[in-house]
Amino acid sequence: DTAVSQTPKYLVTQMGNDKSIKCEQNLGHDTMYWYKQDSKKFLKIMFSYNNKELIINETVPNRFSPKSPDKAHLNLHINSLELGDSAVYFCASSQDLDTRFFGSGTRLTVV
Amino acid sequence: KNEVEQSPQNLTAQEGEFITINCSYSVGISALHWLQQHPGGGIVSLFMLSSGKKKHGRLIATINIQEKHSSLHITASHPRDSAVYICAANFGNEKLTFGTGTRLTIIP
Repeated sequence: DTAVSQTPKYLVTQMGNDKSIKCEQNLGHDTMYWYKQDSKKFLKIMFSYNNKELIINETVPNRFSPKSPDKAHLNLHINSLELGDSAVYFCASSQDLDTRFFGSGTRLTVV
Repeated sequence: KNEVEQSPQNLTAQEGEFITINCSYSVGISALHWLQQHPGGGIVSLFMLSSGKKKHGRLIATINIQEKHSSLHITASHPRDSAVYICAANFGNEKLTFGTGTRLTIIP
């Protein structure tokens, strides 16, 4: 049973479209995250939610909007996709500041 | 400024060799994480430590708080250890600041 699952695994879409990536964790963790890994494989935090409340919001365009319907889910919605949004997006969860458990990643390609 | 530096960037070794990957950080941290990214892209958390040393199988992670330095060691390395190893630091909040990663290749 996958601890942190995100869907889809691959997403190819045209510029200007709106898309969502879903993430669910079954670990009972309080905190969930979205990370972006760029073409140089550098990971960077985008958002963090604790018990459905936004606690970290890095310098990310407003086109990116996280939504946490409950503490087991953190979805990422992206409006008006741009070429530069192409990256691998990782969801993760943790209990407090403890070990992060990562999803398998979503490779987003904007064409 | 919260920074994390890793070295080396790339490391190629023969099977069986003892591997060391280094991580330095700029200011005090609450915890340091070591992650492994497989060639397929998946990320696995290896260790989280705030002091001393942790061991899991052939992997050992150490941290020296005074020197702001952590090392990841792999004993009796094996080709299946080939991956990118990433250190990441908690600078007192939930945010992780990542190093640039070390690409390890173990040759049979």
